[in-house]
Amino acid sequence: ILNVEQSPQSLHVQEGDSTNFTCSFPSSNFYALHWYRWETAKSPEALFVMTLNGDEKKKGRISATLNTKEGYSYLYIKGSQPEDSATYLCASLIYNQGGKLIFGQGTELSVKP
Amino acid sequence: DGGITQSPKYLFRKEGQNVTLSCEQNLNHDAMYWYRQDPGQGLRLIYYSQIVNDFQKGDIAEGYSVSREKKESFPLTVTSAQKNPTAFYLCASSNRVLVNTGELFFGEGSRLTVL
Repeated sequence: ILNVEQSPQSLHVQEGDSTNFTCSFPSSNFYALHWYRWETAKSPEALFVMTLNGDEKKKGRISATLNTKEGYSYLYIKGSQPEDSATYLCASLIYNQGGKLIFGQGTELSVKP
Repeated sequence: DGGITQSPKYLFRKEGQNVTLSCEQNLNHDAMYWYRQDPGQGLRLIYYSQIVNDFQKGDIAEGYSVSREKKESFPLTVTSAQKNPTAFYLCASSNRVLVNTGELFFGEGSRLTVL
């Protein structure tokens, strides 16, 4: 079984802090890396889908980078706000897994005002 | 509004009973998926369907069954053969097969508790 690992498991920051988390995935047979944000009592929503080594994507205060050779992606949040509180999921699409996404266990972010 | 609707949100079942979770989408997506979430674990794929009248087993299909008679609907039946059915279930869809890097759109989930 191929594993996708996220760290840290949970994170508590103050409003205004910048923060980042890591997603590690198997680098062989890599096809794509997905990031999702999952707020409590809501549906997970896609943030980014990344495919190319060195890719950087940005949406407002949130950005992500991708290193497919070493098998990791970073998600950055600049100036965290309470509304950023959510669980952030990453998922790796491995080519020899029949196009299935393999999800990490998530990073739970709590931003205190 | 376009989206995915799962029902019921909460469901209680006695041991030995089958139960069906509903998933409907009006996004005109071809592919649909069922995931299971357990505490401390990533989402695990139960079944997926890339087209009407076709579906494939995911990583944890034992004790589950699905059907895909209509593009909009992908119900999941949790049978009495599922040894540990208490979990949170998420349905998702995508507008193209994932190998084309389509993102997933999720429902709000159904929480099943076996008494």
